[in-house]
Amino acid sequence: DTAVSQTPKYLVTQMGNDKSIKCEQNLGHDTMYWYKQDSKKFLKIMFSYNNKELIINETVPNRFSPKSPDKAHLNLHINSLELGDSAVYFCASSQDSLAGAPDTQYFGPGTRLTVL
Amino acid sequence: AQTVTQSQPEMSVQEAETVTLSCTYDTSESDYYLFWYKQPPSRQMILVIRQEAYKQQNATENRFSVNFQKAAKSFSLKISDSQLGDAAMYFCAYDYNNDMRFGAGTRLTVKP
Repeated sequence: DTAVSQTPKYLVTQMGNDKSIKCEQNLGHDTMYWYKQDSKKFLKIMFSYNNKELIINETVPNRFSPKSPDKAHLNLHINSLELGDSAVYFCASSQDSLAGAPDTQYFGPGTRLTVL
Repeated sequence: AQTVTQSQPEMSVQEAETVTLSCTYDTSESDYYLFWYKQPPSRQMILVIRQEAYKQQNATENRFSVNFQKAAKSFSLKISDSQLGDAAMYFCAYDYNNDMRFGAGTRLTVKP
C-alpha cells in the first residue's frame, strides 16, 4: 500500500545519455511534484503539475521534462545528462486545497542519480 | 523501514508568540541526521535547521530551535517570536546514509 513510489531507486549512467525516472501515487491526489536534492541536502522544486497547470522552476534546464500519462503518474525525463545532474530526485504528491494553496505533500523514497 | 511522523497537520500561532511543531521517527540506527524544511507558498523548500544524532546539544538557528530527544525518537521544532513570514508548510526529515525520509508536513498559520 505504498503511497508514492519511484523507480528506479538508483540510477548510474554515462554523460550524454537520456534517462527517465518514474513516479506513481495511489492517493488520488491532484498535484505531483519533482524535487532535486543536492549534496548539501538542499531541496529545490523542479516542477509541480496537475491536470490544469504545469509550473516550471525557471532555473531548471530544458533538458528536464515532466511527462504525465495520467493523474497518478508524473515521470521525469532527462536528456543529454551532465555531471551536475547527479543528485537525489524526489517525487511528491498532494491534494489541492480549496484555496489552491499547497497541501500536505507525501514524498517518494527518492532516486539517486549518478552521472559518470 | 524508517518512518517520520508529524502528528499535527495544521498549527496556528499568534504573531510574536512561540509555537512548537512535533516530529517523531522510527529507526534502529544510532548515527543519522534530522532536518526541518520550510516550504512557503512559493513552493521552494528551505532548510531551516539540521541536527546530527551524535550531538546531544540541540541545534539553534536564530528564532528556530529543536528539542531532540534521541531515546524517545522525537525532534520538535520551536519557533520563537513568530513572524508573518513564518507561515508555511514545515517538513521534518530523517536521513541515514543518504537515504532521506520526510514527514507529511505541518501547515503553520501566523495570525497578525
